[in-house]
Amino acid sequence: EAQVTQNPRYLITVTGKKLTVTCSQNMNHEYMSWYRQDPGLGLRQIYYSMNVEVTDKGDVPEGYKVSRKEKRNFPLILESPSPNQTSLYFCASQTSGQGLSQPQHFGDGTRLSIL
Amino acid sequence: GESVGLHLPTLSVQEGDNSIINCAYSNSASDYFIWYKQESGKGPQFIIDIRSNMDKRQGQRVTVLLNKTVKHLSLQIAATQPGDSAVYFCAEILRGQAGTALIFGKGTTLSVSS
Repeated sequence: EAQVTQNPRYLITVTGKKLTVTCSQNMNHEYMSWYRQDPGLGLRQIYYSMNVEVTDKGDVPEGYKVSRKEKRNFPLILESPSPNQTSLYFCASQTSGQGLSQPQHFGDGTRLSIL
Repeated sequence: GESVGLHLPTLSVQEGDNSIINCAYSNSASDYFIWYKQESGKGPQFIIDIRSNMDKRQGQRVTVLLNKTVKHLSLQIAATQPGDSAVYFCAEILRGQAGTALIFGKGTTLSVSS
């Protein structure tokens, strides 16, 4: 089954404790992306990757890092989490064919609470 | 600022009615638009898309209309069912010198009552 898998689904942690949210896709997609979703603000892009070893900042990259060492994985790293990073996070992937004019496939989300 | 938005944050309909969810976009150069459905506790799911060289596209019970003159996108759901209750997002592909980005609207919550 084609899917985007995020782990963990839920996490409560404390300020300053480094954490990583993993994302894996099994569709051989070149493009992967991370979003955060907050009430009243919709989905905002954090980082994206056009392919292996190619990453770029989205709209709200501050406080986050990513890496793309393998095509299937795109982890999101919070080196020193702060309470304003409490949010619902989504990973997505898509083929980069047709100039990205294809729908993205989303994971089921990771709810992070930073105390 | 937000490039894509929705006219109404919530929409309540009766089961069996037709629903229309609207979206306005500001970038006349956008050439691809998508509607997503997000159910509680899940990620957005693709519903239907449309390219700028089209005015209308139909799927199963859903139709997307694109009016490039007024930069308006709508999603029509026929015979709305309780299972259609969700948040609906429109999104546009924005292409610029810095690259290509997918910009989401803030979403409309559709509530379907029996």
